[in-house]
Amino acid sequence: AQSVTQLDSQVPVFEEAPVELRCNYSSSVSVYLFWYVQYPNQGLQLLLKYLSGSTLVESINGFEAEFNKSQTSFHLRKPSVHISDTAEYFCAVSTPQGGSEKLVFGKGTKLTVNP
Amino acid sequence: EAQVTQNPRYLITVTGKKLTVTCSQNMNHEYMSWYRQDPGLGLRQIYYSMNVEVTDKGDVPEGYKVSRKEKRNFPLILESPSPNQTSLYFCASSFAQTPYGYTFGSGTRLTVV
Repeated sequence: AQSVTQLDSQVPVFEEAPVELRCNYSSSVSVYLFWYVQYPNQGLQLLLKYLSGSTLVESINGFEAEFNKSQTSFHLRKPSVHISDTAEYFCAVSTPQGGSEKLVFGKGTKLTVNP
Repeated sequence: EAQVTQNPRYLITVTGKKLTVTCSQNMNHEYMSWYRQDPGLGLRQIYYSMNVEVTDKGDVPEGYKVSRKEKRNFPLILESPSPNQTSLYFCASSFAQTPYGYTFGSGTRLTVV
């Protein structure tokens, strides 16, 4: 079975600073990896995903994540954050071996961007 | 607009009173799923469905029932709610063959007193 560990429950940063939200996964088979974002009082939105191919994936709002198989990690980064990036971020894993219906989430990281 | 619609958004009920949270999607997705979100625990899968009449337990199925009689609908039933089922519930759907990840509804905040 797969599992996800998000190493930081809360990350406070100042506006325009860089940020990294850490995610490690555990799986005995190949994986699909996702980052979701949840803005206050809203549902989850898909931010970006890794399925195969290039290990660096990007979102439309400046976030990127890199799949590192040897370190079983999928950390999320942004070089310069905005106040509007304040949200909770969830890393999730599923597998291509008929397991994509079982998307397993980490416990989330609350990113707070301060002025 | 492609979406997953949950109702109600907020619900306060009493222990033991049966309730149903509805979920509907208009994207012709095969997979549908229910998650609950609790502080510090992230999202945990309750039940999922791979297609009509095909459902299976997730990680925390106790106290819940589901049905999938039509492709678009996947209601969550709490036959005898208890206070430990107070939570934020999300319904989600996705295509089966293409791993785009789930599309989530806006959530249902349930309080059981």
